[in-house]
Amino acid sequence: QVQLQESGPGLVKPSETLSLTCSVSGGPINYYYWSWIRQPPGKGLEWIGFIYSTGSANYNPSLKSRVTISVDRPKKQISLKLSSVTAADTAVYYCARHRQDCTKGVCTTYYYYGLAVWGQGTTVTVSS
Amino acid sequence: QSVLTQSPSVSGAPGQRVTISCSGSSSNIGAGYDVHWYQQLPGTAPKLLIYKNTNRPSGVPDRFSGSKSGTSASLAITGLQAEDEADYYCQSYDGSLSAVVFGGGTKLTVL
Repeated sequence: QVQLQESGPGLVKPSETLSLTCSVSGGPINYYYWSWIRQPPGKGLEWIGFIYSTGSANYNPSLKSRVTISVDRPKKQISLKLSSVTAADTAVYYCARHRQDCTKGVCTTYYYYGLAVWGQGTTVTVSS
Repeated sequence: QSVLTQSPSVSGAPGQRVTISCSGSSSNIGAGYDVHWYQQLPGTAPKLLIYKNTNRPSGVPDRFSGSKSGTSASLAITGLQAEDEADYYCQSYDGSLSAVVFGGGTKLTVL
């Protein structure tokens, strides 16, 4: 059973860069879309961006100027970098794998498929 | 302000049926993009509850069902149980924004 584990500093100073890693175990990283989602305390879910296993990425327009998502296939890791953070970036950060549909041995996945597998999330606080 | 609109809260007594609505627009749900639903129990990560408008992943009870019409979608829960108390989110894709979009979430209280 595939598992996702987010890791990284729990405390980041304002104006610095938040860096998180999502490690994939129990399943492949290839041929899937992977997303980062965050949830500020007491608030709803906000999509940050996704990346395909080949490295093609797309970001939330509201965060695009500050976000970079990358994939390291040999290490089976997806990374998130968010620059110039403020207190508004304080949140639980989740990585998730998009669904894949398989019919007669042929599997397809798209970025508009649902998010089938989630990590447990990691809390990041932005504070000096 | 979320791209998809959900009522902030809904409640029901055990055994009852409740519905949670998700309203979008012609650039997301109305454009034909599928709607997915997630259940988030307190202190845990979201869990996929319904995918592609009406489909349940393995292990999700058939008390949960989804529907989609026009620019809106709904999640129905029948035979309400105490363990269903959670936050529920709808999600789709917006072609104009080129972005995955979520609803603001609906808190379900089981009375």
